[in-house]
Amino acid sequence: GAGVSQSPSNKVTEKGKDVELRCDPISGHTALYWYRQSLGQGLEFLIYFQGNSAPDKSGLPSDRFSAERTGGSVSTLTIQRTQQEDSAVYLCASSLDGAGYGYTFGSGTRLTVV
Amino acid sequence: GESVGLHLPTLSVQEGDNSIINCAYSNSASDYFIWYKQESGKGPQFIIDIRSNMDKRQGQRVTVLLNKTVKHLSLQIAATQPGDSAVYFCADRSGNTPLVFGKGTRLSVIA
Repeated sequence: GAGVSQSPSNKVTEKGKDVELRCDPISGHTALYWYRQSLGQGLEFLIYFQGNSAPDKSGLPSDRFSAERTGGSVSTLTIQRTQQEDSAVYLCASSLDGAGYGYTFGSGTRLTVV
Repeated sequence: GESVGLHLPTLSVQEGDNSIINCAYSNSASDYFIWYKQESGKGPQFIIDIRSNMDKRQGQRVTVLLNKTVKHLSLQIAATQPGDSAVYFCADRSGNTPLVFGKGTRLSVIA
């Protein structure tokens, strides 16, 4: 597609449930990033995929969070046993490669845990 | 790790005036800097970037200045318009590391 697509745009889930958030990056972009943005805050790095390299998971806040990227394209961020503090906007971005370029962001998934 | 911060959380300017949004960074190894604009309900949108071998770069109505000596980055918006109202984020990176974002400055344009 022309841009980064994220789905769903909004997700309300009950505490303790698992959720999956999807990201379709720009075709041909080898780097894919997940960030989290809490209300009124900046962007917190979660995880980074670059080509076939092992992902950089250094930003994942707990072992309840995981992500995969299949076929070097679509990525899924999974949050298990959601907690209220997981409520945030989850942003996905892609870039042409891992260095020297800005990212193109999707519109995000707003996750609300009730 | 190192982080990027901003001097002011909010900025109000009169329509037609110039806006200056400031940012301080702490990673002396950072070699790439970027400004994003985020409107309500949308993802951040690229505005302008600059590499560490430059100290100034201009775009359409926007200029980014980089002062590596004091680790300071600024975004200048000329003739600010109501459509410029948004939250502005600076970010930096070193090599292939992920961008590190500041908390953002909210720009409000007064008509």
